[in-house]
Amino acid sequence: DAGITQSPRHKVTETGTPVTLRCHQTENHRYMYWYRQDPGHGLRLIHYSYGVKDTDKGEVSDGYSVSRSKTEDFLLTLESATSSQTSVYFCAIRIGQGAQEQYFGPGTRLTVT
Amino acid sequence: LAKTTQPISMDSYEGQEVNITCSHNNIATNDYITWYQQFPSQGPRFIIQGYKTKVTNEVASLFIPADRKSSTLSLPRVSLSDTAVYYCLVGRMDSSYKLIFGSGTRLLVRP
Repeated sequence: DAGITQSPRHKVTETGTPVTLRCHQTENHRYMYWYRQDPGHGLRLIHYSYGVKDTDKGEVSDGYSVSRSKTEDFLLTLESATSSQTSVYFCAIRIGQGAQEQYFGPGTRLTVT
Repeated sequence: LAKTTQPISMDSYEGQEVNITCSHNNIATNDYITWYQQFPSQGPRFIIQGYKTKVTNEVASLFIPADRKSSTLSLPRVSLSDTAVYYCLVGRMDSSYKLIFGSGTRLLVRP
């Protein structure tokens, strides 16, 4: 299995505070992704990265920024958390020949009060 | 991307074979079909992928008819631990990011 960890696994924060979630992989995969999962919406892509310092927006990127200064780390930042950003956040890496084969991390449950 | 349609839920019993069908009527020539499984409180897990005919691995089989407008995920002899949500996705292999997860099929395996 691809080594992928997310930290923290659970976080409760207040509206207006900045929050950074970390995704760490151990196998030097080029593509990394951040998704959020909410009831009734399935998984939605927030941002993705196709290499160090190379990132692009997904379908629900407003209110989020990302950074990738090293191959192994992909950070997701909520600059000023809102209650609508309460969700489960999953990081994924592309492990196959195509974009459809991705390996997901364990998730971070974020609650914004 | 081709839109997919799956049953919202299915029930089965331990030891039975389960077939989950996904419709993708407007699948494109370059699209592949991929299935994921997701357990509660975990990230989705890649199960199987195919383009046409039949693909089999240690977990499941994927049947794709000649017109490719549907596909069937077959789980042999399910156990309680196969209770999960199963997602059917359709898309090009060269897409940089376009994984679109629909609502999936919630499979409940009963004793």
